[in-house]
Amino acid sequence: EADIYQTPRYLVIGTGKKITLECSQTMGHDKMYWYQQDPGMELHLIHYSYGVNSTEKGDLSSESTVSRIRTEHFPLTLESARPSHTSQYLCASSEFSLGADNQPQHFGDGTRLSIL
Amino acid sequence: AQSVAQPEDQVNVAEGNPLTVKCTYSVSGNPYLFWYVQYPNRGLQFLLKYITGDNLVKGSYGFEAEFNKSQTSFHLKKPSALVSDSALYFCAVRGYFNTDKLIFGTGTRLQVFP
Repeated sequence: EADIYQTPRYLVIGTGKKITLECSQTMGHDKMYWYQQDPGMELHLIHYSYGVNSTEKGDLSSESTVSRIRTEHFPLTLESARPSHTSQYLCASSEFSLGADNQPQHFGDGTRLSIL
Repeated sequence: AQSVAQPEDQVNVAEGNPLTVKCTYSVSGNPYLFWYVQYPNRGLQFLLKYITGDNLVKGSYGFEAEFNKSQTSFHLKKPSALVSDSALYFCAVRGYFNTDKLIFGTGTRLQVFP
């Protein structure tokens, strides 16, 4: 089992609230990722990071923001939650690889977010 | 552009029978290919990967996958299915020249019946 943790696992909250989804990994991985996944559906990359102070936007436009102040921590923030943000959010990490990247990503168990 | 296709939304198989979950890909240069499994209310778990070498790759839980360069396929297989194998399976690809992102397929739901 990979050591990557997401909290909370479930969150039901009202519209307009500020939300932070936590993701931590204890493997010392440089690369970290956030995906959005509707239940049983495909994954969409929304943010990724190569390391401390590095953040990049993914393929799916998202109103969320991320930060990477510490290697092990990659929180995702929604400043003002809306019902359209209802989804599952998965965090992942992978080892740095010199040259072409052939390392698998390790996933947390996700946060299922419901905005009322 | 990189892409990966899983042509079957669902695969049904009886317990004890062999199973195959199909995946085809499109990528520039040599591909790096991965299979993941997702159980309900869980994240994705890494099963196996193909980087180079032997076309038959063995992974976790008795799964294996066969890389076929001419058909650009990477099908997941298991000789004898278990009910506990029922889950959502994702194929993913990363191209040698574009390693920022892992491109996932849309997933295939495997249902193993007792």
